[in-house]
Amino acid sequence: GAGVSQSPSNKVTEKGKDVELRCDPISGHTALYWYRQSLGQGLEFLIYFQGNSAPDKSGLPSDRFSAERTGGSVSTLTIQRTQQEDSAVYLCASSRDGGYTFGSGTRLTVV
Amino acid sequence: GENVEQHPSTLSVQEGDSAVIKCTYSDSASNYFPWYKQELGKGPQLIIDIRSNVGEKKDQRIAVTLNKTAKHFSLHITETQPEDSAVYFCAASKSNYQLIWGAGTKLIIKP
Repeated sequence: GAGVSQSPSNKVTEKGKDVELRCDPISGHTALYWYRQSLGQGLEFLIYFQGNSAPDKSGLPSDRFSAERTGGSVSTLTIQRTQQEDSAVYLCASSRDGGYTFGSGTRLTVV
Repeated sequence: GENVEQHPSTLSVQEGDSAVIKCTYSDSASNYFPWYKQELGKGPQLIIDIRSNVGEKKDQRIAVTLNKTAKHFSLHITETQPEDSAVYFCAASKSNYQLIWGAGTKLIIKP
């Protein structure tokens, strides 16, 4: 597609449940990033995939968070045993030559 | 590692006036400096970028200036309009490294 696609756009889940967030990057973009953004706050880096290299997981806040990127394309961010503090907008971006293109994000609400 | 500081955190200007947002960076090897605009409910969008081999770049009402010696760069918006109201993020990176982000500036255009 023409842009970065994220799904779902909104997700409400109960505390303790697992959630999966999907990102479909721009075709040909080798780099893929996940960020978290709490209301009115900046961009918190979570994880970075570059080609076939091992991902940079240094931003993941706990071992409840994991992500994978299959076939160098689609990525899934998984949050296990969700907590209320996980409520935020999760943004995905892809890049080829430096500039990032962001998706519209998934707004996650944990109740 | 790289650190990017952005000021001010909030900027309120009268419609038609100019707005300037400033960022400083710490790593002298950084060579790519983009600016992103984030409207409510959307992901950040690239509005202008500059590489370290130039000092200024313009695109209609927006311009970015770069001072490599002082390690700072600025976004200038002239003749501000209501649709310029948004959060603006600066970022910096070295070649083949991921972007390091400023904390964001909320720009408010007063009618």
